[in-house]
Amino acid sequence: SQTIHQWPATLVQPVGSPLSLECTVEGTSNPNLYWYRQAAGRGLQLLFYSVGIGQISSEVPQNLSASRPQDRQFILSSKKLLLSDSGFYLCAWSSRQGGNQPQHFGDGTRLSIL
Amino acid sequence: AQKITQTQPGMFVQEKEAVTLDCTYDTSDPSYGLFWYKQPSSGEMIFLIYQGSYDQQNATEGRYSLNFQKARKSANLVISASQLGDSAMYFCAMRVTGSNYKLTFGKGTLLTVNP
Repeated sequence: SQTIHQWPATLVQPVGSPLSLECTVEGTSNPNLYWYRQAAGRGLQLLFYSVGIGQISSEVPQNLSASRPQDRQFILSSKKLLLSDSGFYLCAWSSRQGGNQPQHFGDGTRLSIL
Repeated sequence: AQKITQTQPGMFVQEKEAVTLDCTYDTSDPSYGLFWYKQPSSGEMIFLIYQGSYDQQNATEGRYSLNFQKARKSANLVISASQLGDSAMYFCAMRVTGSNYKLTFGKGTLLTVNP
């Protein structure tokens, strides 16, 4: 069966520090991969998605970047964190087998910027 | 552009009763899919149910059913026989065909099940 791993679960970082969040998927190949951010008490905002290795699409201009160095690995990064980067970050994957395939989410990372 | 609207910020239901969570959507694309997710306080997003725009019957998954009214552009989630463990945020989401499987989410409804 397919599983998605996301780490760390919780992170506290000072303003101006770098960031690296990692997500890996097991049990499937060629998945679509996604990074979302969820502000407290709000819905999900799509940040990046990827349909293949090295292929990254950005949905909103921001202080963050994403990379997909391997088929089942998706990394969210920042060179210098801002206070506004605080939030709950979720990684997700979906199969390309059809439009009825749901996205499956990791457990998320709670990022606090001090 | 696609849009999902969930007008109920919070809902309360008594244990063992049924509850309906509202979702309306807006798209000009004739081919789309609608999803419901549950997010407990722990944060993970759990897929519940899917309805395709061309599906003739309303989707059902155990205690979850989707009341799909295409002309009204609504896709309400019905939870029957509510349980305490159903207390969570519920999100409606839409995927438009050809969008690289991207989902547009509503703002969610917080459901509280009372004993």
